[in-house]
Amino acid sequence: EVQLVESGGGLVQPGRSLKLSCAASGFTFSDYNMAWVRQAPKKGLEWVATIIYDGSRTYYRDSVKGRFTISRDNAKSTLYLQMDSLRSEDTATYYCATLDAWGQGASVTVSS
Amino acid sequence: DVVMTQTPVSMSVSLGGQVSISCRSSQSLVHNNGNTYLSWYIQKPSQSPQLLIYKVSNRFSGISDRFSGSGSGTDFTLKISRVEPDDLGVYYCGQGTQYPLTFGSGTKLEIK
Repeated sequence: EVQLVESGGGLVQPGRSLKLSCAASGFTFSDYNMAWVRQAPKKGLEWVATIIYDGSRTYYRDSVKGRFTISRDNAKSTLYLQMDSLRSEDTATYYCATLDAWGQGASVTVSS
Repeated sequence: DVVMTQTPVSMSVSLGGQVSISCRSSQSLVHNNGNTYLSWYIQKPSQSPQLLIYKVSNRFSGISDRFSGSGSGTDFTLKISRVEPDDLGVYYCGQGTQYPLTFGSGTKLEIK
């Protein structure tokens, strides 16, 4: 069974950093492109970033470029999202996804 | 960026009935490789999104044949037949043809 389990969410002040992790199991992690998708409270889905299966390329939405870094450790079947210079508008539930499968989400609240 | 426009915003249907949800993209979703990366997801209350349909018309593993996708280019449709109570939720279309990946704003399906 495919499982994606996010961790690392929480309450953080504006301007500070947070790192999300996503532990994958039940499939060959190193074969899949991986993404982070977020959902602000009561809002729709918003793609954040994607990393290619071997880590060779990354893609970001404009609003997080230069602030967020997606990475992966294929040996550990783990996906990461380093979030720096956080803003209130980054408040959301962050999903780790192959887009075929989605995790349960990690809640990130940016507030003073 | 490719803008995905979903209609209607919400709809109510009787059990056993049929619904259609429209999704239009601001640009053609045909990739250079000839594939069209248009997917449909459902987000049930308090759950993560789940993939229903990928590449326009392919049902994901375990998805009932009551769900069908169709369309081409910029115009796509999700049809749900013989609606069941478990079908309630918000349906999203999403495109994976070009970055940034984008989603429609969602269609909320309610059961009468």
